[in-house]
Amino acid sequence: GENVEQHPSTLSVQEGDSAVIKCTYSDSASNYFPWYKQELGKGPQLIIDIRSNVGEKKDQRIAVTLNKTAKHFSLHITETQPEDSAVYFCAASWGNEKLTFGTGTRLTIIP
Amino acid sequence: EAQVTQNPRYLITVTGKKLTVTCSQNMNHEYMSWYRQDPGLGLRQIYYSMNVEVTDKGDVPEGYKVSRKEKRNFPLILESPSPNQTSLYFCASSPVLLGEQYFGPGTRLTVT
Repeated sequence: GENVEQHPSTLSVQEGDSAVIKCTYSDSASNYFPWYKQELGKGPQLIIDIRSNVGEKKDQRIAVTLNKTAKHFSLHITETQPEDSAVYFCAASWGNEKLTFGTGTRLTIIP
Repeated sequence: EAQVTQNPRYLITVTGKKLTVTCSQNMNHEYMSWYRQDPGLGLRQIYYSMNVEVTDKGDVPEGYKVSRKEKRNFPLILESPSPNQTSLYFCASSPVLLGEQYFGPGTRLTVT
């Protein structure tokens, strides 16, 4: 089955700086890669996703890049703000019904 | 308001006492899923359902049962809970297989 590794497990950045979280996946047939943000006491929420026919996608301060050859994808958050502090999960799926999640990254923005 | 609801939000029980965690969505989604979240392990899928009366195992189905008799409801059943099922559980729904999943607020279960 699919295996998704996520790094780092914790990340602290100064407010205004950029944050990057990386994930690698094992199944080369994977074609859907979402990123979820989980705030304290809440369920995860989708913040951005990318499909295998696209190399990069941006939404304001958030971007995701996908390298199919290397089987890794990354979340980039620019101009970080205190409200970006949360746990972030990457995930991968190849078209079956299962979405495999990474182990999460706790991002802390230092004011 | 479009949402996924779960009940109860918190539950403390004892080993072997059957329990059910309910999940309901009001978005007419066909796809529903249950996950458990444990420190250092992320979110792991327990069971999922493609539609009414269609369910299948996820990555960690042992010790759990589900049913999908109505489109909006997808209860998670623990016939004989054990301490290793102590976890944070999330129900999710989505309109399509590979699309945004809408998560419920979570159920924190403790089995003593």
